[in-house]
Amino acid sequence: DIQMTQSPSSLSASVGDRVTITCRASQTINSYLNWYQQKPGKAPNLLIYATSNLQSGVPSRFSGSGSGTDFTLTIINLQPEDFATYYCQQSYSTPPTFGGGTKVEIK
Amino acid sequence: EVQLLESGGGLVQPGGSLRLSCAASGFTFGNYAIHWVRQAPGKGLEWVSGLNGGGYLTNYADSVKGRFTISSDNSKNTLYLHMNSLRAEDTAIYYCAKAARYQDLEFDFWGQGTLVTVSS
Repeated sequence: DIQMTQSPSSLSASVGDRVTITCRASQTINSYLNWYQQKPGKAPNLLIYATSNLQSGVPSRFSGSGSGTDFTLTIINLQPEDFATYYCQQSYSTPPTFGGGTKVEIK
Repeated sequence: EVQLLESGGGLVQPGGSLRLSCAASGFTFGNYAIHWVRQAPGKGLEWVSGLNGGGYLTNYADSVKGRFTISSDNSKNTLYLHMNSLRAEDTAIYYCAKAARYQDLEFDFWGQGTLVTVSS
């Protein structure tokens, strides 16, 4: 199975900040990397698919980059509604696997 | 509008069985892969099982293989997860997740989840 490692596991940031979350795969996954946002008590929500494509309705302050084994989710101008937990996930092979999550908290 | 509505969760004793359902609407059910993903209390996401768009190919996580069975009824647009020999570590919220078109392992819509608690 492909292991997905996210860092950091949590971070504190202020409204307006730029935030970067990294995700590393244990083997190459080409561009088959997705990002999900989960708010407390809610289901995950697809933010970015195939490394850098924004899902419909996702604000442009979110962006994704990377290839191979190393990927990044960036949020610029952090907004109050962005405080949540973010998960990366590889869709390269079965079983699909998730990173451990990054909780973005208010500083 | 895509909707996924899970049901069937509850409290069950270790060794017991449960059947989860996921009623789907807003898309052509048989054209998309569909999955179960779970989340233990306070933990991350774990893929459990998936069914391809044709409904003939199934996959399972090693942690549930031989105990859980995924199936569907296309006439009812409903996905099921039959869970047997339940263990305490199966306690989790179980989400139904629809795959994107042509990307069977990319989850573009999720249900609200149903809680399964395995405890004596």
